[in-house]
Amino acid sequence: EVQVLESGGGLVQPGNSLKLSCATSGFTFSTAWMYWYRQFPEKRLEWVARIKAKSNNYATDYTESVKGRFTISRDDSKSSIYLQMNNLKEEDTAIYYCAWKYYWGQGVMVTVSS
Amino acid sequence: DVVLTQTPVAQPVTLGDQASISCRSSQSLVHSNGNTYLEWYLQKPGQSPQLLIYKVSNRFSGVPDRFIGSGSGSDFTLKISRVEPEDLGVYYCFQATHDPYTFGAGTKLELK
Repeated sequence: EVQVLESGGGLVQPGNSLKLSCATSGFTFSTAWMYWYRQFPEKRLEWVARIKAKSNNYATDYTESVKGRFTISRDDSKSSIYLQMNNLKEEDTAIYYCAWKYYWGQGVMVTVSS
Repeated sequence: DVVLTQTPVAQPVTLGDQASISCRSSQSLVHSNGNTYLEWYLQKPGQSPQLLIYKVSNRFSGVPDRFIGSGSGSDFTLKISRVEPEDLGVYYCFQATHDPYTFGAGTKLELK
């Protein structure tokens, strides 16, 4: 059974940092392309970042609004991915979801507010 | 970026009715490899989006056959025959053909 479990959300002040983690099981992680998505308070969904597999040199891609602030990474030995979020802004407030292919986690809430 | 326009915004239904949701793309979703990466998700309150349909018309594991995806190019439709209580929620179309991947704004399926 595929499992995807995010952790690390919380309340942070603007300009601060937060790191999300995503632990997975039930599939061959080392060859998987992994994703972060987010859902804003008004329910709009957005793709945030992608990290490809080792065979694709772990290439990463980001939505324009987070480029230079967010970094996606992975640890194949732990079947996990991460999202390092720096210089957070109030407009980053959202539920963040980790996903493999068609499987999404339950999400973690990130609130950026002073 | 590819814009996905979903209509209607809300669809009031009576249980047992058929419902239909449209998703139109600002450009063709046919990938250079010949596949069309158009998916449909249902989000119920308090839950993450769950996949219903992938590659336009393929039902995901466990999805009832009353969910039917169709379309091609830039025009797609999700039909739900005989709506049941567990079908209520917000439906999103999603494209993974072009970077960045994008979602429609959602269609709320609700009781009349």
